[in-house]
Formats: sequence, C-alpha cells, structure tokens
Amino acid sequence: GIQVEQSPPDLILQEGANSTLRCNFSDSVNNLQWFHQNPWGQLINLFYIPSGTKQNGRLSATTVATERYSLLYISSSQTTDSGVYFCAAHKYNFNKFYFGSGTKLNVKP
Amino acid sequence: DVKVTQSSRYLVKRTGEKVFLECVQDMDHENMFWYRQDPGLGLRLIYFSYDVKMKEKGDIPEGYSVSREKKERFSLILESASTNQTSMYLCASSLTSGRREQFFGPGTRLTVL
Repeated sequence: GIQVEQSPPDLILQEGANSTLRCNFSDSVNNLQWFHQNPWGQLINLFYIPSGTKQNGRLSATTVATERYSLLYISSSQTTDSGVYFCAAHKYNFNKFYFGSGTKLNVKP
Repeated sequence: DVKVTQSSRYLVKRTGEKVFLECVQDMDHENMFWYRQDPGLGLRLIYFSYDVKMKEKGDIPEGYSVSREKKERFSLILESASTNQTSMYLCASSLTSGRREQFFGPGTRLTVL
C-alpha cells in the first residue's frame, strides 16, 4: 500500500493568519485529494490535485508528484476553516484510497 | 454536482440487532466504499464495491457484510450489532477510470447500546 503522513497533527491559528499543511506519500500516485471535515462529520472535497497547483479563493494546493508531497495553503484564515483536513492518495493498480491521519485546525477569533 | 446520500444522520440500536446503513449516489459511479471513523484511528476501509454484486474486503471487514444489487446503492449490514461498532460511518463513491475523485456522503453516527 501507500503510507500517507500529514503534518502538523494539530494547528492553532489566530483569525487572519496563514498556514501550510503538508502531506507526504511513500509511493508515486495517480490521484491526490484534499478534504475538509466539517463539524458535522462530512468530508468536503477541496482539491483533486495529482500534480501542479490549483487555487480556490483563500485556499490553494500544490502537489510535487516527483518528490511525493502535497501542500495545502490557507490564507487569511477564518473561524469557519476550523476542522480536520485530510489528504488521500490513490494509485491505479490499487482499488482503495489511502488516507493520512489528518491535521486538526483550530482558528481562534 | 455529485451527490452521495446516507439513509440516517444519527442511529441508535441495541446490542444484537441487525442494522442496515444505506448509501445512494447519483453520478453513475462504479466504485462505492464504506469507512468507519473513530477518534485517533482515522478513516478505516470496511468494504468496497467496484461493480454491481461485486465486493472486496477492506481493512476491517469483521462483523460487517455489504450488498450492492443496483449500481447506485451500496448497503452496509451489521448482522448482530455490538457496542464496539459504535462509530461514525462514511460512504463514498468514485469512477473506475479517468478522474477518480472520491466523494463522500454526510455520514451516519451509529450508537449501539
């Protein structure tokens, strides 16, 4: 399988601050996703980013597939950004997705 | 937009009961997945299905079975619920080819008393 490691495990920010979350994976992958788990438990899709850089509002993500890592940037954080962020990797010859253990973000007003 | 729905947000059952959790997706995805999430243990795959009537065990299949009679519906069955199956259950779906982005339902918080 694929080992997926996320860092940091916990992060506390003041509202308005910027942050970078990291996801390392142990093998080459064909797919890489970032999710935000909201307070009600649902995983919301943020980015589908097997390689390159994408931006969506205050969030952006970069995957460097050759170096086996992905970064999620949150700028001008808001209290609604609080929750757990997961990355998940997938490789075509495996049927399953491999999840990291998540980064728990707490944005304080 | 892809939509994955689950039959209940919250469910309370008694030990020994047979429990059915239903998941429906509306985007003609071939793959469907059942996970459970427990504090400190992350997401763990119970079963997945890559086609109608096809299934494969995930990492923790013991105590569970699944059914996929139609492409859009994937059911998780707890034959005899136990207290250690109290958990958050998450269903997901994805395509088999091309953009294999996984989409999740809202989750079912199951409590077994």
